[in-house]
Amino acid sequence: EDKVVQSPLSLVVHEGDTVTLNCSYEVTNFRSLLWYKQEKKAPTFLFMLTSSGIEKKSGRLSSILDKKELFSILNITATQTGDSAIYLCAVDPPGNTGKLIFGQGTTLQVKP
Amino acid sequence: GAVVSQHPSWVICKSGTSVKIECRSLDFQATTMFWYRQFPKQSLMLMATSNEGSKATYEQGVEKDKFLINHASLTLSTLTVTSAHPEDSSFYICSAKAGGPQETQYFGPGTRLLVL
Repeated sequence: EDKVVQSPLSLVVHEGDTVTLNCSYEVTNFRSLLWYKQEKKAPTFLFMLTSSGIEKKSGRLSSILDKKELFSILNITATQTGDSAIYLCAVDPPGNTGKLIFGQGTTLQVKP
Repeated sequence: GAVVSQHPSWVICKSGTSVKIECRSLDFQATTMFWYRQFPKQSLMLMATSNEGSKATYEQGVEKDKFLINHASLTLSTLTVTSAHPEDSSFYICSAKAGGPQETQYFGPGTRLLVL
């Protein structure tokens, strides 16, 4: 069965810390892996990763995919209280159905 | 990025009533829309896939007679929770996808339903 597992499930850090969120998956021949940030409302798109080893970067956030080891990481440097959110990893499996398989999410709390 | 809206954002209703939630893609045509529900501190659970002009495809365990989905146009899908009960209280989120294999899904802001 296709599965996406995120770790840790929750994390508390202080402003300025760097965090690494993990996403491992058991989905063969997937089309893409996506990262979303969810605050009080619906998820907002962060990154789509399709190629192994190519880092995607947006400000203090970056993400990379390792298709050989079947995982992705999301890094946040110099964290701010506004980074507090649930971070969701999702995999778009083959078949062009568009149905995403979500991980459980990592709840990040950044304290001042 | 593309914008997806949902209406209403909040609804409180009595047990036994039906509630309709609308999902609209505002600046693109969505060939496919998805409906999710999310319980507190849990991830998104896909309920159904809605394609314009055809019947929705429901995930295992989701009652199609309970959660009626209509995708009447390329910019609008509706989810009706029929005869709602307190256990239907949840956060309902839709997403929309324009089409093509590399298209990203864009999420609506969600609808929080509380059934008393």
